[in-house]
Amino acid sequence: KNQVEQSPQSLIILEGKNCTLQCNYTVSPFSNLRWYKQDTGRGPVSLTIMTFSENTKSNGRYTATLDADTKQSSLHITASQLSDSASYICVVTAYGGSQGNLIFGKGTKLSVKP
Amino acid sequence: DAGITQSPRYKITETGRQVTLMCHQTWSHSYMFWYRQDLGHGLRLIYYSAAADITDKGEVPDGYVVSRSKTENFPLTLESATRSQTSVYFCASHGSGGGSGLFFGEGSRLTVL
Repeated sequence: KNQVEQSPQSLIILEGKNCTLQCNYTVSPFSNLRWYKQDTGRGPVSLTIMTFSENTKSNGRYTATLDADTKQSSLHITASQLSDSASYICVVTAYGGSQGNLIFGKGTKLSVKP
Repeated sequence: DAGITQSPRYKITETGRQVTLMCHQTWSHSYMFWYRQDLGHGLRLIYYSAAADITDKGEVPDGYVVSRSKTENFPLTLESATRSQTSVYFCASHGSGGGSGLFFGEGSRLTVL
């Protein structure tokens, strides 16, 4: 069964600190993996996309990594800011098939405290 | 640049009533989706549409009806609302290639009493 597991479920860090969020997946055949940021009361917004051949991709202070062999991805946030407080959702797309082949993780809720 | 808009943003209704959530996008995206988001479940696909007049079921379609007579609109109807349909509903869209990922609306928070 295609699944996406994220850890931790929630995380509290101090402003200025770094953190890493994890995403493990059992999706086959794999097409791509995206990280979304969802602010409270808003819709998710795409941060990065990783395809099979990509190991690392950065978007400002956000760096995503992908290990297609172990089927793991991480999202590293550097020098956290209060505005980073949000839920981060990992979404894996299965190759081919219908457009319903987007498998969502349940998200990691990050709280950045001053 | 309106993007994708949902209405209403908040709705309270009673069990058994019909409710329609509206979704409108201005990009002429081919694909449109309806998700519900609940604590402990994350986002779950209700229905999606590849083009006008083409719709398909997602993971949790029971109790919902969709239509897509125009590319830009994708309404979601709860024909007889139940308490278990209390949730936050998100509409999303993307173009044919999907390369930019999903673009989500702001959500519609529905409470069924």
